[in-house]
Amino acid sequence: SQKIEQNSEALNIQEGKTATLTCNYTNYSPAYLQWYRQDPGRGPVFLLLIRENEKEKRKERLKVTFDTTLKQSLFHITASQPADSATYLCAPGAGGSYIPTFGRGTSLIVHP
Amino acid sequence: SAVISQKPSRDICQRGTSLTIQCQVDSQVTMMFWYRQQPGQSLTLIATANQGSEATYESGFVIDKFPISRPNLTFSTLTVSNMSPEDSSIYLCSVGTGGTYEQYFGPGTRLTVT
Repeated sequence: SQKIEQNSEALNIQEGKTATLTCNYTNYSPAYLQWYRQDPGRGPVFLLLIRENEKEKRKERLKVTFDTTLKQSLFHITASQPADSATYLCAPGAGGSYIPTFGRGTSLIVHP
Repeated sequence: SAVISQKPSRDICQRGTSLTIQCQVDSQVTMMFWYRQQPGQSLTLIATANQGSEATYESGFVIDKFPISRPNLTFSTLTVSNMSPEDSSIYLCSVGTGGTYEQYFGPGTRLTVT
């Protein structure tokens, strides 16, 4: 069955550094992969989508890579700020499906 | 994008009772979804709420336990029936815009069953 793996341990980094979160998947060939941010007590918020034919996508301080050979996506936040502290969910999806499969998320804590 | 509200935001219910959660969207949308998120777990899709027809349920979820209504393109309800403590969770509705794959989520309903 499909398996989405995100690091269950929180990532602690210092303000100003680059945070890198990993999403690995197995038994799956997604056509796209999304990243969401979720704050405590709130619903997830869409951040970025990358398609299988794209290697990299950027939006302001965010960068996502998608390696279909390694079956992995990396999510980077440059010049991180304490306000970036949240849980980040990756969600790969099959082509033609509007319903991705969500990972458990990785908690990011940015220390001032 | 879409703005989504949910009612109630939280509730504590006794086992054996039912709770209906409302989801209101500020614009007409084709796709509405209901998810469950248990502590430390990923979002699990319960069903897709279809306007004018029965909801489409995912494996492990049945209509008798989670009846869903979708009377129009801006509103849906999810009922959690005959609740047990295992139903304690956060329930989220989301919408898809149809033209893209991104989803917009409501704030969630935190349900505790005692």
